[in-house]
Amino acid sequence: GQSLEQPSEVTAVEGAIVQINCTYQTSGFYGLSWYQQHDGGAPTFLSYNALDGLEETGRFSSFLSRSDSYGYLLLQELQMKDSASYFCAVTNQGGKLIFGQGTELSVKP
Amino acid sequence: EAGVTQFPSHSVIEKGQTVTLRCDPISGHDNLYWYRRVMGKEIKFLLHFVKESKQDESGMPNNRFLAERTGGTYSTLKVQPAELEDSGVYFCASAAERISYNEQFFGPGTRLTVL
Repeated sequence: GQSLEQPSEVTAVEGAIVQINCTYQTSGFYGLSWYQQHDGGAPTFLSYNALDGLEETGRFSSFLSRSDSYGYLLLQELQMKDSASYFCAVTNQGGKLIFGQGTELSVKP
Repeated sequence: EAGVTQFPSHSVIEKGQTVTLRCDPISGHDNLYWYRRVMGKEIKFLLHFVKESKQDESGMPNNRFLAERTGGTYSTLKVQPAELEDSGVYFCASAAERISYNEQFFGPGTRLTVL
């Protein structure tokens, strides 16, 4: 089977740093993506890792370890607007995405 | 540039009826994907078009679902006849060239409720 595991909920305060972990077990793997979704709307792309290591994009960073089938999304200097659902997704053959169940991030003042 | 659009935004139908969902991808995007999120579950892949050809339809639940992409532009997803378990949010996403298909652009989704 194919599965991705990520925490269901995370709570943090404004200005803090939060890490959302994702472990995966899939039959094919081209890369690990992260998507953000506000209030059930359109998921929006945040980052993609095809190779091991850290990718940084502004306040967000994403890490991948292919040998450990593990990745994480790091959000720094949290803002209220970062409250959303965050999904890790494995890119499989043809570009199709296999999603985790999502992590609900709540940022408190 | 316009994003991915989907129509309708909401649909409420009775079990046994037919519903057709439409997706307009970003202009020029050859890759078009359909996904579905059933309440409380993960977003699941349904199928993938490259232009007008079905590249992968391994995620289609059963033969009550029919997807088309005539002319390689917009796509439709028809559910006939609808069942209760078909309720959920149907997302469409598009991506440009193969080399950059790691980034998919999602539409706002169609929320389907089957009563």
